[in-house]
Amino acid sequence: QVHLQQWGAGLLKPSETLSLTCAVYGGSFQRYFWTWIRLSPGRGLEWIGEISHTGIPNYNPSLKSRVTISIDTSKNQFSLKLTSVTAADAAVYYCASRPRGHFDYWTQGTLVTVSS
Amino acid sequence: QSVLTQPPSVSGAPGQRVTISCTGSSSNIGAPYDVHWYQQLPGTAPKLLIYGNSNRPSGVPDRFSGSKSGTSASLAITGLQAEDEADYYCQSYDTNLSVVFGGGTKLTVL
Repeated sequence: QVHLQQWGAGLLKPSETLSLTCAVYGGSFQRYFWTWIRLSPGRGLEWIGEISHTGIPNYNPSLKSRVTISIDTSKNQFSLKLTSVTAADAAVYYCASRPRGHFDYWTQGTLVTVSS
Repeated sequence: QSVLTQPPSVSGAPGQRVTISCTGSSSNIGAPYDVHWYQQLPGTAPKLLIYGNSNRPSGVPDRFSGSKSGTSASLAITGLQAEDEADYYCQSYDTNLSVVFGGGTKLTVL
């Protein structure tokens, strides 16, 4: 069974870079796509992007210019960077595992607030 | 607005049956890509409820069932219980946009 734990700054100023990391415990790191998803009152659930265990990323086209997802297989961790944040990026950010089309394990999420 | 369309809210009395619809298009549900459903209880992370249109993960009661036809899918909940009060989301894949979600449906148990 997979257990995910994430961390990162929850309060940002406009134009700063959001940075979150997710650690994977248990399960097989190679079996999954490792994903970032966010939830906001205005947009609902939004898929940000994902990365395979081989390091191949795939991003939401609407966020692609500002998103980087990376992976550290030596630590079983993957990370999200979102540049130039605005109030529209305020949300709860989750990391999740995707074995096929669905997401089976999720973290409790990190509330990200953007305020000057 | 979301690529997949769900009703903002549904309600039902304890013991009743409710359904939540998820409408897409020929580039996602009708492509055909599988539909998955998640339940989000207040203050918690989304939880996988149905995967591959109609499959329940271990531990999910058989009161929950999913179906798909054409460009739409449905989640049915029978024997409604107070603990079912939550937000429900559908999810699929879109050939243009990758992973897509519905806007979510708030279920109220009267």
